[in-house]
Amino acid sequence: DQQVKQNSPSLSVQEGRISILNCDYTNSMFDYFLWYKKYPAEGPTFLISISSIKDKNEDGRFTVFLNKSAKHLSLHIVPSQPGDSAVYFCAARASDNNDMRFGAGTRLTVKP
Amino acid sequence: SQTIHQWPATLVQPVGSPLSLECTVEGTSNPNLYWYRQAAGRGLQLLFYSVGIGQISSEVPQNLSASRPQDRQFILSSKKLLLSDSGFYLCAWTQGRELFFGEGSRLTVL
Repeated sequence: DQQVKQNSPSLSVQEGRISILNCDYTNSMFDYFLWYKKYPAEGPTFLISISSIKDKNEDGRFTVFLNKSAKHLSLHIVPSQPGDSAVYFCAARASDNNDMRFGAGTRLTVKP
Repeated sequence: SQTIHQWPATLVQPVGSPLSLECTVEGTSNPNLYWYRQAAGRGLQLLFYSVGIGQISSEVPQNLSASRPQDRQFILSSKKLLLSDSGFYLCAWTQGRELFFGEGSRLTVL
């Protein structure tokens, strides 16, 4: 079963604009959420995370928002840059579990 | 600092042949280790994870197996590959809340 879902397989944004990537989860035991960025033929790299005790975490151009009641999180990139073009994976884990569940990914293309 | 390496980076194997992918972590001890697979057009599927030497948890029944013969070594194996085993295999480690991935191994089964 897919406990973490990214329903948009792709997103295209103009350089300088905001990119918003969305993620939904079903497991209410998840209490830590992460975003990873992946270039072709490389391993994913950790981008930003948020604990369930918060509803927002910001790191430079990247902000993650968490809506626990809706079981939804989003990643905002402002302003978007061509170098941000990659596949973005949403991930979630529960404190009492050793595994991490990933969404299917969203391919972001930032056009110059 | 901690580093993770996996090899080979690219592998082309015939159906029915064996497989061995190796992953090594440096700069840490007693990490949790993971094998994920990214099939074409799909997300990251957790295959195995290990919390210690000889301790393997399997997420998906299939013809793959994993072993952890040493604290910082994680091996993914198969006795007979299937066409459906093709994909991008990723090793990862953690000691906290974030996973850190290796460079990945591209497996093509023909």
